[in-house]
Amino acid sequence: ETGVTQSPTHLIKTRGQQVTLRCSSQSGHNTVSWYQQALGQGPQFIFQYYREEENGRGNFPPRFSGLQFPNYSSELNVNALELDDSALYLCASSLGSGGINEQFFGPGTRLTVL
Amino acid sequence: TQLLEQSPQFLSIQEGENLTVYCNSSSVFSSLQWYRQEPGEGPVLLVTVVTGGEVKKLKRLTFQFGDARKDSSLHITAAQPGDTGLYLCAGHPSGTYKYIFGTGTRLKVLA
Repeated sequence: ETGVTQSPTHLIKTRGQQVTLRCSSQSGHNTVSWYQQALGQGPQFIFQYYREEENGRGNFPPRFSGLQFPNYSSELNVNALELDDSALYLCASSLGSGGINEQFFGPGTRLTVL
Repeated sequence: TQLLEQSPQFLSIQEGENLTVYCNSSSVFSSLQWYRQEPGEGPVLLVTVVTGGEVKKLKRLTFQFGDARKDSSLHITAAQPGDTGLYLCAGHPSGTYKYIFGTGTRLKVLA
C-alpha cells in the first residue's frame, strides 16, 4: 500500500508569482484535503475534494484553488503569492469525507515566498 | 468559530514523568483524532475516538473522549525521549466537512 506523497519537497517563489503543489493520495482513498501550517502552529484547513468536487472550504481567499483528478490525485494552486503564504502545505487523503474517516498525511511541501 | 484549544502549549519534562494534554472546544465533534508531528514531516495519526466517554490505550498513551464529545485528553505514562514532538488533536465538527486542528502541544522529554 502506497502512502500519501507530495511534490515538490521544497519550493522558493517570489511575491506575486503562482505556484502548483501536487499530491498523490493513498491507494484506495477518494478524498483529499489540503492544509496550510505556519511555523509553530497547527495546520489550517484550506479545502477538501471528494470524487473530483470541492465539498468543503476553510477561510482562504479564492486565489487558493485546487483540482482533483480521476485517479484522486490533487493539485493546490496559489496565485499572486504573498509573503504570508510561506508555510508547510500538507495534503491528506481519506476514504470518504467527513464523519470519522481518518486522514493520512503526506510529508508536506515547504513553500518560501520572498 | 469552531476552535480546538490545547493545553499546555509547551511542556518540558524529565524522562519517566507522566503528563496530560487537554483538547477543548465549545463545539460537538463527531470524532476526534490525535496526531504526533515531527519537525519537517506531516502529522502521524495516533488514534481516533468516536463515542462520548470512550477511552483508548496505545501502549503508554491513554486517550479519552469527553462524554459530551466536546473535549479530549491524552495521558502519557513514563514519558520517554522518543515521545518528543508536536501533539495535535483534530476533528470534524458535527455536520461539517471542515477538519479542525487544535493549537498544538509541543512536548520535550529530557533524558
